[in-house]
Amino acid sequence: EADIYQTPRYLVIGTGKKITLECSQTMGHDKMYWYQQDPGMELHLIHYSYGVNSTEKGDLSSESTVSRIRTEHFPLTLESARPSHTSQYLCASGDNSLSTEAFFGQGTRLTVV
Amino acid sequence: AQSVTQPDIHITVSEGASLELRCNYSYGATPYLFWYVQSPGQGLQLLLKYFSGDTLVQGIKGFEAEFKRSQSSFNLRKPSVHWSDAAEYFCAVDMNTGRRALTFGSGTRLQVQP
Repeated sequence: EADIYQTPRYLVIGTGKKITLECSQTMGHDKMYWYQQDPGMELHLIHYSYGVNSTEKGDLSSESTVSRIRTEHFPLTLESARPSHTSQYLCASGDNSLSTEAFFGQGTRLTVV
Repeated sequence: AQSVTQPDIHITVSEGASLELRCNYSYGATPYLFWYVQSPGQGLQLLLKYFSGDTLVQGIKGFEAEFKRSQSSFNLRKPSVHWSDAAEYFCAVDMNTGRRALTFGSGTRLQVQP
């Protein structure tokens, strides 16, 4: 069983607020990812990291930022939330083998009003 | 452009019937291939994966998938569907490029009728 945790599970917040979505994994994985998923839609990679102090932007342009100061922690921050940021955000991790198998957290459903 | 296609947005089957969900990819070489399942409000759970070798792979919950290189396909199958299989199913590929991350299809929503 994968051990990757996201908090909060649900968040409703007003426009203009700064928010941080937390993601932690206890598996010692080097690779971590953030995906954005609109209801009933595919997942789009917005950020990824290969290890500490490594972060890259993904396929989908996002106004969010990420940091990777510790191996187990990969938070995502929105400096000023907007209604267009309303979505589900899924965090995943993978080990450093050739496999890109990803283990997913349960997601954070964000609603910006 | 490299892509993953799941042509069926929504499929309804009767409980006990067989199931096949389609997945095609567009890429020059053979990628790593995955199927994930997502229940409402949840994250994704890996069903099975293909890296190399036997083209028929077995997964959890009685699912299997067959890689067909000539058709660039990796279809998911189950001989007898249970009501608990109702969920969203995603095909994903790693294109073996420098960036090691999964690209997902748009998903197929499975409904199971009693």
